[in-house]
Amino acid sequence: GAVVSQHPSWVICKSGTSVKIECRSLDFQATTMFWYRQFPKQSLMLMATSNEGSKATYEQGVEKDKFLINHASLTLSTLTVTSAHPEDSSFYICSAASSGRAYEQYFGPGTRLTVT
Amino acid sequence: DAKTTQPPSMDCAEGRAANLPCNHSTISGNEYVYWYRQIHSQGPQYIIHGLKNNETNEMASLIITEDRKSSTLILPHATLRDTAVYYCIVRVSGLDSSYKLIFGSGTRLLVRP
Repeated sequence: GAVVSQHPSWVICKSGTSVKIECRSLDFQATTMFWYRQFPKQSLMLMATSNEGSKATYEQGVEKDKFLINHASLTLSTLTVTSAHPEDSSFYICSAASSGRAYEQYFGPGTRLTVT
Repeated sequence: DAKTTQPPSMDCAEGRAANLPCNHSTISGNEYVYWYRQIHSQGPQYIIHGLKNNETNEMASLIITEDRKSSTLILPHATLRDTAVYYCIVRVSGLDSSYKLIFGSGTRLLVRP
């Protein structure tokens, strides 16, 4: 099956700094990528949808200036958490879908962010 | 908001079938039902999806009622490695023609030895 990777798998940063998380589709071209956030013992919450080469569409309540998403190529999307605060500590998961197989989303392994 | 309702937890014995129910009474005619599972601290794994016909693959079977208001995921011979949170999701179309998966709270399945 299709493989999606994320880097880093975990990161600790200080409050006020920015953190970038990468999501890569390793063996297919991802025309659409999705970013989710998951707090402990909760379900995944969709943050935004991004199509290659265009601006991301954010879900209601998600601050687009705080969570910067770039989908510059068909195999890479990045999520930058700007001016991170402890409440941004969470498990961030990306998924990817190709135009030819839009019915399947392949998920990355997730990135655990801890802001101190 | 999620368009599905699932029991918060279930358990079954190893080797037996696990039947996970899901209600999606407000599903529209062109919306698919998807099942994913998430093992602790990992990304979700795709299991199966369907529109109105029953589906089967190497992992599971999906039974959708005729009125499409509910479905059941069947793991025919559950193993300890099937212990996970199972999400039943109705796929919705996004404004930009993409398809979004809106996760509900899922069912935590515990497979007992």
